[in-house]
Amino acid sequence: NAGVTQTPKFQVLKTGQSMTLQCAQDMNHNSMYWYRQDPGMGLRLIYYSASEGTTDKGEVPNGYNVSRLNKREFSLRLESAAPSQTSVYFCASSELGGGQETQYFGPGTRLLVL
Amino acid sequence: GQSLEQPSEVTAVEGAIVQINCTYQTSGFYGLSWYQQHDGGAPTFLSYNALDGLEETGRFSSFLSRSDSYGYLLLQELQMKDSASYFCAVGRGAALIFGKGTTLSVSS
Repeated sequence: NAGVTQTPKFQVLKTGQSMTLQCAQDMNHNSMYWYRQDPGMGLRLIYYSASEGTTDKGEVPNGYNVSRLNKREFSLRLESAAPSQTSVYFCASSELGGGQETQYFGPGTRLLVL
Repeated sequence: GQSLEQPSEVTAVEGAIVQINCTYQTSGFYGLSWYQQHDGGAPTFLSYNALDGLEETGRFSSFLSRSDSYGYLLLQELQMKDSASYFCAVGRGAALIFGKGTTLSVSS
């Protein structure tokens, strides 16, 4: 099992460009999450999907959209990138969702917006 | 809402014991989790406490006191490979809220 995979690993964008970060899991998990990590800020939740067909906002959703394409895939879209979105983006999944569950993280996407 | 406080940095030497504290404020409580992250890589799960007391997993232990809204991660027999960032996290509905992380540096 590959676990949680993310593409791309690195990306450089110019301000105003758009892009989609892809995430897939092969553990048959119901819940998936997108976090961003900035120096000294820890992991902050952008959006999550508790189950296929549902999505909810996290702490920092502004400037992002998500799509739960199917049970395996959860994508994050930046419609018009801004330098403030320079960050490392992590996707995660858990079996059922909820604070008592282990979350499994992907390797991250490092995004630089110029 | 939720907020978590943990020290930003801790240093220790090989073979020592170190404790990383976490205090939290939360409107609902689903347990306290700990995650480890090496060099900006994927965070990995270490432990989870739903009830008061100590949970032990090898060299790592985690403690929770719900009455004090406090927990800690205890790392024993420190090794160089334990140099990493450690995050506490509390549940909020279907998601986790993470603290800002503690960077542990282990020296020889």
